[in-house]
Amino acid sequence: EPEVTQTPSHQVTQMGQEVILRCVPISNHLYFYWYRQILGQKVEFLVSFYNNEISEKSEIFDDQFSVERPDGSNFTLKIRSTKLEDSAMYFCASSGLAGVVTGELFFGEGSRLTVL
Amino acid sequence: DQQVKQNSPSLSVQEGRISILNCDYTNSMFDYFLWYKKYPAEGPTFLISISSIKDKNEDGRFTVFLNKSAKHLSLHIVPSQPGDSAVYFCAAKGGPPMGQFYFGTGTSLTVIP
Repeated sequence: EPEVTQTPSHQVTQMGQEVILRCVPISNHLYFYWYRQILGQKVEFLVSFYNNEISEKSEIFDDQFSVERPDGSNFTLKIRSTKLEDSAMYFCASSGLAGVVTGELFFGEGSRLTVL
Repeated sequence: DQQVKQNSPSLSVQEGRISILNCDYTNSMFDYFLWYKKYPAEGPTFLISISSIKDKNEDGRFTVFLNKSAKHLSLHIVPSQPGDSAVYFCAAKGGPPMGQFYFGTGTSLTVIP
């Protein structure tokens, strides 16, 4: 069964360093998302992406965040200068057209980011 | 700003009994409501959804009820099985084009054999 894959599964970084989290969405999906979950808190929307541009973003997704689909298969989230409060589990998700209507997203297993 | 709330962080149910998970929301413009299930070390998995124009949707052992006047939805699992033990997230989706998804904080369900 097709699945969304994310790398790395866990990254530890020093505050102020740049981090890139990578995702390979399901191949025929066109809509891509990043969510995050700080330990013990709710899953929070960061950004949605379609047709090579950001469709919607939350207040969390400030200038230190960026997304890119560099090669038609990967979907990346870059955090330019990490802060302690960026420590969280970051989930990539993708959906087909039906999912945009019904909300059925396919999530990856997540990348745990720990900022020291 | 909690647009979707799950007030019960945990729930324990005997195997074979009904599990009822509850969720409240504040925004009447949401067009779809969803339940996701999450096991440890895995991403959320879509379980069931309901359109805002319906009040019930059933899929096997899972039924979601929507009460728009109360801005409340619930997930019923009957009968509950030990494999249902997981964290359940309620989510709501805004309207087109893509619609931002708002998740609740989750309810950890434990089904006791």
